[in-house]
Amino acid sequence: DSGVTQTPKHLITATGQRVTLRCSPRSGDLSVYWYQQSLDQGLQFLIQYYNGEERAKGNILERFSAQQFPDLHSELNLSSLELGDSALYFCASSPRGVHGYTFGSGTRLTVV
Amino acid sequence: AQSVTQLDSQVPVFEEAPVELRCNYSSSVSVYLFWYVQYPNQGLQLLLKYLSGSTLVKGINGFEAEFNKSQTSFHLRKPSVHISDTAEYFCAVSGSGGTSYGKLTFGQGTILTVHP
Repeated sequence: DSGVTQTPKHLITATGQRVTLRCSPRSGDLSVYWYQQSLDQGLQFLIQYYNGEERAKGNILERFSAQQFPDLHSELNLSSLELGDSALYFCASSPRGVHGYTFGSGTRLTVV
Repeated sequence: AQSVTQLDSQVPVFEEAPVELRCNYSSSVSVYLFWYVQYPNQGLQLLLKYLSGSTLVKGINGFEAEFNKSQTSFHLRKPSVHISDTAEYFCAVSGSGGTSYGKLTFGQGTILTVHP
């Protein structure tokens, strides 16, 4: 157990729907990062939050949004889902920066 | 911006043989470098990281990597592999400051298959 908890582990949904992925960081970690892993794009950085504020944005679609709550858990919202959004979505947390990056086990999203 | 190229998509090797997984990077700023391992249906586990100092970095499970700034490489090595090392390995880079600090750019991965 890495200490980073992601729920749900698996999610199957239809095109056009909206889903929410949840991440609880390791105790004490203030930074949360979201990554997408797909067969064609590989592992791509989506977005970073630090203590509730957005810090960096990567290749995140406008249909996707995220937030970090006061208790430091984070949610990634994916809307108007397309078949191509099927992927593994990873959350990682660190106290600060990249020195102590810990990944969760991921949420596998399947859009049908 | 940074980029990472893992030169081999698949590396087959026999048990107890040495292995090298190759990684080249490109960056206009100073970098931090990482190797992660992903076992089937699992998340990413950090093997080792280079932040500064000695260019030879030792990690978990007997792996090591050498940072070569002139060749912009960070190859991963293990002198004797085990069946349990079968997994996908990812090289990653982060800028050591500025807007690229904190986010990782990953290579496409190398699948290491260890045969008995």
